[in-house]
Amino acid sequence: NAGVTQTPKFQVLKTGQSMTLQCAQDMNHEYMSWYRQDPGMGLRLIHYSVGAGITDQGEVPNGYNVSRSTTEDFPLRLLSAAPSQTSVYFCASSYSIQGWVTEAFFGQGTRLTVV
Amino acid sequence: GENVEQHPSTLSVQEGDSAVIKCTYSDSASNYFPWYKQELGKRPQLIIDIRSNVGEKKDQRIAVTLNKTAKHFSLHITETQPEDSAVYFCAAPVRPGSQGNLIFGKGTKLSVKP
Repeated sequence: NAGVTQTPKFQVLKTGQSMTLQCAQDMNHEYMSWYRQDPGMGLRLIHYSVGAGITDQGEVPNGYNVSRSTTEDFPLRLLSAAPSQTSVYFCASSYSIQGWVTEAFFGQGTRLTVV
Repeated sequence: GENVEQHPSTLSVQEGDSAVIKCTYSDSASNYFPWYKQELGKRPQLIIDIRSNVGEKKDQRIAVTLNKTAKHFSLHITETQPEDSAVYFCAAPVRPGSQGNLIFGKGTKLSVKP
């Protein structure tokens, strides 16, 4: 049981490049979310999903796309990287029991630098 | 959608003192309020959570209280220790129907001085 796995752990991109941050969970969780963390800004929600085939925009979705073709995977795509997207990115997953949601588990994070 | 405000942004206490962090939320339909602790360079981890059907929950030195009428909830840490030093985040569901997708406050950096 690996939990929530994010790849890569570190990445440097040039402005204008595109890339995909991978997130996979093996706990059969229905909820998955992507966050970015910048100093003094806390964790800001980028996109989220309540199940396979369903995604929605969070607080800061511009410049990012997501898809949820399976329960396990929730990749985050940067369409054309900009220096403002330099950040630490976290993926999280959680589930519900009898209508009550439970703990969100976080991946180890991806530190992205755009130059 | 939901909006979560957290105060204070920094908090410094002496070892053994109590610490209180407060959060407010905007959506009266929210029913789940977790608190996360993040140590430097690590991922956030849940320390305690509360559901809307209770007003208070305790786990050893940590407690959370919820006031649904006023739409605020608070984290209480008693007998603080240096290892409690970290950034603490409160959260609430982004919207009804997405209770497992959370909106976070901006965080409180707690420093416990020996």
